[in-house]
Amino acid sequence: GQNIDQPTEMTATEGAIVQINCTYQTSGFNGLFWYQQHAGEAPTFLSYNVLDGLEEKGRFSSFLSRSKGYSYLLLKELQMKDSASYLCAVVDSNYQLIWGAGTKLIIKP
Amino acid sequence: DTEVTQTPKHLVMGMTNKKSLKCEQHMGHRAMYWYKQKAKKPPELMFVYSYEKLSINESVPSRFSPECPNSSLLNLHLHALQPEDSALYLCASSQEMGSGANVLTFGAGSRLTVL
Repeated sequence: GQNIDQPTEMTATEGAIVQINCTYQTSGFNGLFWYQQHAGEAPTFLSYNVLDGLEEKGRFSSFLSRSKGYSYLLLKELQMKDSASYLCAVVDSNYQLIWGAGTKLIIKP
Repeated sequence: DTEVTQTPKHLVMGMTNKKSLKCEQHMGHRAMYWYKQKAKKPPELMFVYSYEKLSINESVPSRFSPECPNSSLLNLHLHALQPEDSALYLCASSQEMGSGANVLTFGAGSRLTVL
């Protein structure tokens, strides 16, 4: 079967750094997405990784290791507005998007 | 225009009602999607249209009926729904389907409550 695992909830402090992990077991791999979703709103695209390594985009970075079936999203200089759910999604061999359950990130002052 | 617009934002309907959700995009995207999302759960794919033709139906009950009148519009017709169908319905679009770097642009969603 296809499986994506993320922590259910994480808490971090404003100004700090947090790493949200995602492990996956899917039938094939054609890339991994991270989306951000604020409560009651639509998911918005953060990053896409298809090759191993780190992709940096401002305060957010995403890392991929295909051999380990592992990715993480790194958020630096946390702001209160970063409180949201972070969804990991993998594109499988049929180019279908397999979603993780999401990680709810709570930022405290 | 880089948006996907969904109407209505909120909808309350009885189990015998017929209503429709509407979605519009003007980004020239050729793939459009309907997702259903329950609280604290990831989006569940319902339907995918590619070049205005239904490509994927994820075994969705027939009380949900999608329609793609043209390349910019996507509708979801609702009839005889059940209370458990209450959810956030998300429309999304992408340039094409069937590629890895297929970034989805989501609409803000329609919050549906079935009484």
